[in-house]
Amino acid sequence: EAGVAQSPRYKIIEKRQSVAFWCNPISGHATLYWYQQILGQGPKLLIQFQNNGVVDDSQLPKDRFSAERLKGVDSTLKIQPAKLEDSAVYLCASSLVGIAQYEQYFGPGTRLTVT
Amino acid sequence: QKEVEQNSGPLSVPEGAIASLNCTYSDRGSQSFFWYRQYSGKSPELIMSIYSNGDKEDGRFTAQLNKASQYVSLLIRDSQPSDSATYLCAARAAGKSTFGDGTTLTVKP
Repeated sequence: EAGVAQSPRYKIIEKRQSVAFWCNPISGHATLYWYQQILGQGPKLLIQFQNNGVVDDSQLPKDRFSAERLKGVDSTLKIQPAKLEDSAVYLCASSLVGIAQYEQYFGPGTRLTVT
Repeated sequence: QKEVEQNSGPLSVPEGAIASLNCTYSDRGSQSFFWYRQYSGKSPELIMSIYSNGDKEDGRFTAQLNKASQYVSLLIRDSQPSDSATYLCAARAAGKSTFGDGTTLTVKP
């Protein structure tokens, strides 16, 4: 079974530029999460989708971050414009709906550096 | 107060010893608890989940949950150098998982 795929793996941009990250979850996983992980901290949830719908985006800085999940599969996370404090690893995770619905499986992450 | 608290460490144990990692959570509505292992420069990997009070064993790993004390722990028996990593505790309440900042474990040969 293929795992969660993410791209790009690394990205360096200047502040005020825009950037987009892509995630493809494990096949059959209805729930998809985007997390931000700053060095030395645990992952912080940005947005959670179930199928096409947003379940939780309470910690998403909506003035600069946006995310979508078309057709209930792939998802993109965009930052526009980027700030220095957005430098972090952006993790995508997915989980089933059902008995093991809360067990999340993470992709390799995208390391973003904003200069 | 953070919602999920862990000692940052580092925790250092000799090879073959038992490593004990602890986690407390503040939301009494939390129902599901998870331990993830994260190697340096890698993404978190699920190693244990626990949903009810008591112990749950999986190989060398044992998760313990005490909801009355709002406490979760992870024991690693016969620790190996390959267990050296950061261990993240997560608690799920109201449909959302909150992670602690992790405990760094070093197993010395």
